[in-house]
Amino acid sequence: NAGVTQTPKFQVLKTGQSMTLQCAQDMNHNSMYWYRQDPGMGLRLIYYSASEGTTDKGEVPNGYNVSRLNKREFSLRLESAAPSQTSVYFCASTEGGVTEAFFGQGTRLTVV
Amino acid sequence: EDQVTQSPEALRLQEGESSSLNCSYTVSGLRGLFWYRQDPGKGPEFLFTLYSAGEEKEKERLKATLTKKESFLHITAPKPEDSATYLCAVRIAGSARQLTFGSGTQLTVLP
Repeated sequence: NAGVTQTPKFQVLKTGQSMTLQCAQDMNHNSMYWYRQDPGMGLRLIYYSASEGTTDKGEVPNGYNVSRLNKREFSLRLESAAPSQTSVYFCASTEGGVTEAFFGQGTRLTVV
Repeated sequence: EDQVTQSPEALRLQEGESSSLNCSYTVSGLRGLFWYRQDPGKGPEFLFTLYSAGEEKEKERLKATLTKKESFLHITAPKPEDSATYLCAVRIAGSARQLTFGSGTQLTVLP
């Protein structure tokens, strides 16, 4: 079982460049999430999709956009990357209700 | 304001030296408390879910407990392979299923 798959694993961008982080899950989960992880800050929610066709802002949405392409896929887009967006990004999914989240392996993004 | 605080930030133990990690929370309506393990360069891996005060869960050398204000992750006779960062997260009523995380405890178990 692949679970939650993220691509790419590593990326270096120049300030102002754009890119899309891809996430796919094969567990037929309804809800998907994007988090960022910074040293000493814990995981912070950027955007989430409670179900196919819906997306909502989390704690730190500025500078990001998302697309729930279908039930399996949830992408995160940086339109104009800034050094403050240097972080490790994690995608996660849940079946629904009060259940545990399953995480991908992360994308380490550096913006120079 | 909803808060999740983990302590200590870092913990070094000798192999076999039991200890506990703490996760204290102040939230308006707990709908679940989750413990995760995270290895360097990897995503968080689910360990336990606790739903109500007094609940306990066990897995190998790990035991998680929950009160109305905090959760403990007890590690009994740890081994070097238990070295990791342990994350605590809560799901809050009306939060549309997202998790609020603490900043984690980095555990190192020395042989």
